[in-house]
Amino acid sequence: DAGVIQSPRHEVTEMGQEVTLRCKPISGHNSLFWYRQTMMRGLELLIYFNNNVPIDDSGMPEDRFSAKMPNASFSTLKIQPSEPRDSAVYFCASSPSSSTQYFGPGTRLLVL
Amino acid sequence: GQQLNQSPQSMFIQEGEDVSMNCTSSSIFNTWLWYKQEPGEGPVLLIALYKAGELTSNGRLTAQFGITRKDSFLNISASIPSDVGIYFCASWMDSSYKLIFGSGTRLLVRP
Repeated sequence: DAGVIQSPRHEVTEMGQEVTLRCKPISGHNSLFWYRQTMMRGLELLIYFNNNVPIDDSGMPEDRFSAKMPNASFSTLKIQPSEPRDSAVYFCASSPSSSTQYFGPGTRLLVL
Repeated sequence: GQQLNQSPQSMFIQEGEDVSMNCTSSSIFNTWLWYKQEPGEGPVLLIALYKAGELTSNGRLTAQFGITRKDSFLNISASIPSDVGIYFCASWMDSSYKLIFGSGTRLLVRP
């Protein structure tokens, strides 16, 4: 299995631009999670999908953040407009039936 | 709220030495997970513990689920340079889907 796939691996953008992060979960996993990792706050859960439905988005920091999961094999996390404080590593993770989570390699985002 | 406290924050050891790190909480947990994150990568699951008192090994790694269900430790024997990374403990909040993570133990190994 290829594991969780994320793209792009690195993104550098200017403040105010739209950023879209992509994730392909492990085939057969029905739970998908988006996390953000920073030095200050560690790993934070942003949003959780189960069977493509958003179950908990209480970790999404602001309305500038949105996430979708149009089908079982694809999810996006969008930031519009981006700000420098959004700079972080964003991880996608998937799991079978909300059990052990498997993480992707992450997208390193730098907003200038 | 539920928190996981990891110690030490960092370790710089000589290759070949054994390593021990732990994770404690004031709350009771039903599962303990240990992840390793290498530079530039996502966390990778090393060991999962499901029962109080359980002792599980994965190669040179050994982890135990404390009998009080409030702590866990991870040991690495005969460390090698590729053990370098950040080790996180994790568990589920209130038996929900939400994983909470400790702040991590950063391990550096001197060849």
